[in-house]
Amino acid sequence: GAVVSQHPSWVICKSGTSVKIECRSLDFQATTMFWYRQFPKQSLMLMATSNEGSKATYEQGVEKDKFLINHASLTLSTLTVTSAHPEDSSFYICSASRGLAGYYNEQFFGPGTRLTVL
Amino acid sequence: GIQVEQSPPDLILQEGANSTLRCNFSDSVNNLQWFHQNPWGQLINLFYIPSGTKQNGRLSATTVATERYSLLYISSSQTTDSGVYFCAVDVYTNAGKSTFGDGTTLTVKP
Repeated sequence: GAVVSQHPSWVICKSGTSVKIECRSLDFQATTMFWYRQFPKQSLMLMATSNEGSKATYEQGVEKDKFLINHASLTLSTLTVTSAHPEDSSFYICSASRGLAGYYNEQFFGPGTRLTVL
Repeated sequence: GIQVEQSPPDLILQEGANSTLRCNFSDSVNNLQWFHQNPWGQLINLFYIPSGTKQNGRLSATTVATERYSLLYISSSQTTDSGVYFCAVDVYTNAGKSTFGDGTTLTVKP
C-alpha cells in the first residue's frame, strides 16, 4: 500500500514552454501533497504544500506564478512549470500523506520527474 | 527554522559490514522519517519513528526525542544498500512540513 506515481518520469523541453507534472496516490486518499526540488548531490528542498480543494502554500523564494500547483482531487496533484528556462532544470519529486499538514503524517514519495530545459 | 544534521556525509563499507548513521535535530519534532534514495532517485520509506525503536529485517532505527537525535543501523550490509540515506523531521509549528538533512551517501563494495 501507499504507492505514489509521477508522470512523466523525465521530460526535455525548449526554453519558454510549459511543462505539467502529475502526481497520483494510487491506493490511498492524499489529503496533503508536497512538491520538492532536488539538485544533483543535494538534499530535497520543499517548494509547496497543497491540501485538496484549497490553494497551495509556497515556500519562501518559490514563485507561485511560475510553479502552478493544482490539487483537484484526493488522488491527484499537478505541478506546472510555466515558461521554463534552463535554470528550472532539476529533479522534481512529489509526496503524499493521508493527514492534513500540521498533524502527524507519514509521507510517501513518487519516483520523481527529471526536467531538462534546453 | 529547525536544523537537521546527518553524519557521516559519506560512508564506504565492505559488503557484510555494519554501520550506524546519525541524525541530529535542533528542536522538538512531531515526526521523523528515514528514507533511502536509490540510484534512480526514488525515495523509499524505511522508518516512521518520532520516538522509540523499530526494526525491519537488517535495518533498525532508534529516536531519542528528548536528546534530539535518531540513529539508523544497517547490519550485514549488501551492495543494494548503496545510495543516499535521508532523515526528515516535522515540527508542529511549521505546519507539518518536513525538513530534510543533507543525507549520508553509502557505498557498499562487494
